[in-house]
Amino acid sequence: EIVLTQSPDFQSVTPKEKVTITCRASQSIGSGLHWYQQKPDQSPKVLIKHASQSFSGVPSRFSGSGSGTDFALTINSLEAEDVATYYCHQSSSLPPTFGQGTKVEIK
Amino acid sequence: EVQLVESGGGLVQPGGSLRLSCAASGFTFSSYAMSWVRQAPGKGLEWVSAITSGGNTYYADSVKGRFTVSRDNSKNTLYLQMNSLRAEDTAVYYCASDSSGYYCWGQGTLVTVSS
Repeated sequence: EIVLTQSPDFQSVTPKEKVTITCRASQSIGSGLHWYQQKPDQSPKVLIKHASQSFSGVPSRFSGSGSGTDFALTINSLEAEDVATYYCHQSSSLPPTFGQGTKVEIK
Repeated sequence: EVQLVESGGGLVQPGGSLRLSCAASGFTFSSYAMSWVRQAPGKGLEWVSAITSGGNTYYADSVKGRFTVSRDNSKNTLYLQMNSLRAEDTAVYYCASDSSGYYCWGQGTLVTVSS
């Protein structure tokens, strides 16, 4: 099973600040890495698919990068509505696995 | 509009059974793989099971032999039959369309296993 480790677990950020969340895979997964946003009491929503492809309708301040074992989700200029927990997910091999989540709050 | 709506959750005693349903609309359900993902209270996301468009099924080790995923393409509905339920199965269960990434999620249904 591929283990995904996100960093940090928690981030407190001022509005308009840039946020970077990393996700490291225990073995190479190519570009089979996706990012989700889960706001409190809501179901997850996809932000980025296949490491760097923005999903339709997602604000342009969200971007993804990386391949192999190291990936990053960047939020340029954080807005109040971005308060959420962010998860990475790999679909490269069974079983699909998720990172432990990164909670982002406004300072 | 693409929509997934889960139902069937509730309170069940340890050792009991429950069947979850996920009604799909707004897309060609039969063409897509579908997955179940769960989230224990205050915890992260955990993949549970998947079924391909052709009917091949896959399970997490934690539920293998106890849960069965199925689909009825004529009803655009995904199912999860859960038997021999344990306290650690308590979670919100989400269905999601599966195109490698999970592009559409339902609102979730809560399953509580407790005596």
